[in-house]
Amino acid sequence: ETGVTQSPTHLIKTRGQQVTLRCSSQSGHNTVSWYQQALGQGPQFIFQYYREEENGRGNFPPRFSGLQFPNYSSELNVNALELDDSALYLCASSLRTALTGYTFGSGTRLTVV
Amino acid sequence: KQEVTQIPAALSVPEGENLVLNCSFTDSAIYNLQWFRQDPGKGLTSLLLIQSSQREQTSGRLNASLDKSSGRSTLYIAASQPGDSATYLCAVRNTDKLIFGTGTRLQVFP
Repeated sequence: ETGVTQSPTHLIKTRGQQVTLRCSSQSGHNTVSWYQQALGQGPQFIFQYYREEENGRGNFPPRFSGLQFPNYSSELNVNALELDDSALYLCASSLRTALTGYTFGSGTRLTVV
Repeated sequence: KQEVTQIPAALSVPEGENLVLNCSFTDSAIYNLQWFRQDPGKGLTSLLLIQSSQREQTSGRLNASLDKSSGRSTLYIAASQPGDSATYLCAVRNTDKLIFGTGTRLQVFP
């Protein structure tokens, strides 16, 4: 079975720009979540998508938005980038049931200058 | 509000030692608890998943226990090796999200 793949691996953007990060779910998983991990911190939940709809959101402003596609892949979009958005962005896929765990991708390192 | 704490924050040990990493959480209403490993600048690798109804899970040299009523989990690593050097994160599943601790940074030296 294929794991979770994320692209790109690294990205440098200028403050005020917009960015799109991409994620392909593990085969058989129908739910995708996004997490932000600042240096030295644990990952923080951004939001989750199930059946192409957002069904849970953490404490992040509306300029963080996402999409899930029929093949369960997903995008994270961030508008009006700020310096504090610099972080490792992690995508995780899972099944809707709590009986299975989450599988994470290798992440996208975003640097905002 | 669920909070997850991991102790110690960092640990440096000689090869061969048995280790215990601790994780505590404030709200016992969890679905499950998952331990992850993270190498520097990399993603998360799942190590063990313990359902709320279980007491422990084992995989090779790793054993994780869960005491939901007291809000604690431990990850036991037997016969540590330099390749075990990484940050270890625990996360509790609350409804549809994971809440993470800040991790324990482990260094095993030869």
